Amino acid sequence: QVQLVESGGGVVQPGRSLRLSCTASTNTFGSHGMHWVRQAPGKGLEWVALIWYDGSDKYYIDSVKGRFTISRDNSKNTLYLQMNSLRVEDSAVYYCARYYGGYGLDVWGRGTTVTVSS
Amino acid sequence: AIQMTQSPSSLSASVGDRVTITCRASQGIRNNLGWYQQKPGKAPNLLIYAASSLQSGVPSRFSGSGSGTDFALTISSLQPEDFATYYCLQDYSFPWTFGQGTKVEIK
Repeated sequence: QVQLVESGGGVVQPGRSLRLSCTASTNTFGSHGMHWVRQAPGKGLEWVALIWYDGSDKYYIDSVKGRFTISRDNSKNTLYLQMNSLRVEDSAVYYCARYYGGYGLDVWGRGTTVTVSS
Repeated sequence: AIQMTQSPSSLSASVGDRVTITCRASQGIRNNLGWYQQKPGKAPNLLIYAASSLQSGVPSRFSGSGSGTDFALTISSLQPEDFATYYCLQDYSFPWTFGQGTKVEIK
């Protein structure tokens, strides 16, 4: 059973940076696209970013373009989300999720909490 | 961005009830839609992919239907463990977008 474990969350001031990591328990990590999805406190789910299985293509929600960068290191089975110029509205639980082709987001991590506050 | 309008936003139902949640896309998305269940404090869980395909391990009381702009998730006989929030997600075009969620509560 594939497991994803996020880390790197914490409390940070507006304008500062944070890097999230998501480590997979499987060597098939490099075969799948990976996503970040977030959920603000008491709110619904919001898709944030996707990276292709080989890192060749990336997509972002408009509100994070130019501030967040998704990347991956397949040799380490690890996905990253570099978050710069953080805003209060970026406060959320951030989940990483595996995209199994046309079969949806089939494996999710437990999430890591980011709080942006002065 | 494609807007996903989910309804109702919440509903109260009893164990054994048949429950249907709908999701409407602001433009056609073929069958590129999934349904996810989320319980409080937990990560979402994939129920249905490609609009109507049941994810492995998900009980058969869950079913999905629809194509184009109109979709539905049906729970044929609600069980105690089904009380949760349900979300649709379109994966047809970027940015992917979720519906706003439907909270299913105990009547």
